[in-house]
Amino acid sequence: NAGVTQTPKFRILKIGQSMTLQCTQDMNHNYMYWYRQDPGMGLKLIYYSVGAGITDKGEVPNGYNVSRSTTEDFPLRLELAAPSQTSVYFCASSYSDIRATNEKLFFGSGTQLSVL
Amino acid sequence: KNEVEQSPQNLTAQEGEFITINCSYSVGISALHWLQQHPGGGIVSLFMLSSGKKKHGRLIATINIQEKHSSLHITASHPRDSAVYICAVAYNTDKLIFGTGTRLQVFP
Repeated sequence: NAGVTQTPKFRILKIGQSMTLQCTQDMNHNYMYWYRQDPGMGLKLIYYSVGAGITDKGEVPNGYNVSRSTTEDFPLRLELAAPSQTSVYFCASSYSDIRATNEKLFFGSGTQLSVL
Repeated sequence: KNEVEQSPQNLTAQEGEFITINCSYSVGISALHWLQQHPGGGIVSLFMLSSGKKKHGRLIATINIQEKHSSLHITASHPRDSAVYICAVAYNTDKLIFGTGTRLQVFP
């Protein structure tokens, strides 16, 4: 099992450009999440999905879009990149609700994005 | 506002020392997670707690529901334990609220 695979690892964008961060998991997990991590701050939830075809906003969804056409894939789209989107992005997955007994989150390796 | 507070922010220790990292939250929660972020940035889940205590190797996590507090203990600390330890809680939703982390450095 590869776990959660996230690409790219690094990216520099110019203001106004668009890009897609890819996330794939091979654990047949139902729940998938996108977080951003800013220096000195806790991880913030951008979007999440509880299954194919179902997505919902997290705490900081503005400027982002997601889709979940398959169980495995959960790409994050940045439209019209802005300097405020400079951050480290993490994709994560879990088999079920993170409140379930012994449930764990599995994280991708992260994407460091700079918008200049 | 539902928040998560961790203390200390930074912690240094000598190899072999007993480590305690604290996490406090504001109201009743459904679940609490402890995670470890390696110096290279990768994040792994350590524990999920809703009550009591869990142990895995040299790591022990406890939660006191009445005091709205959880602790992560590391026994016989080792330089490879150096990392950022993150507490995250689920209030009455299926979304986690994350603390800012405790940076631990263990010196030989």
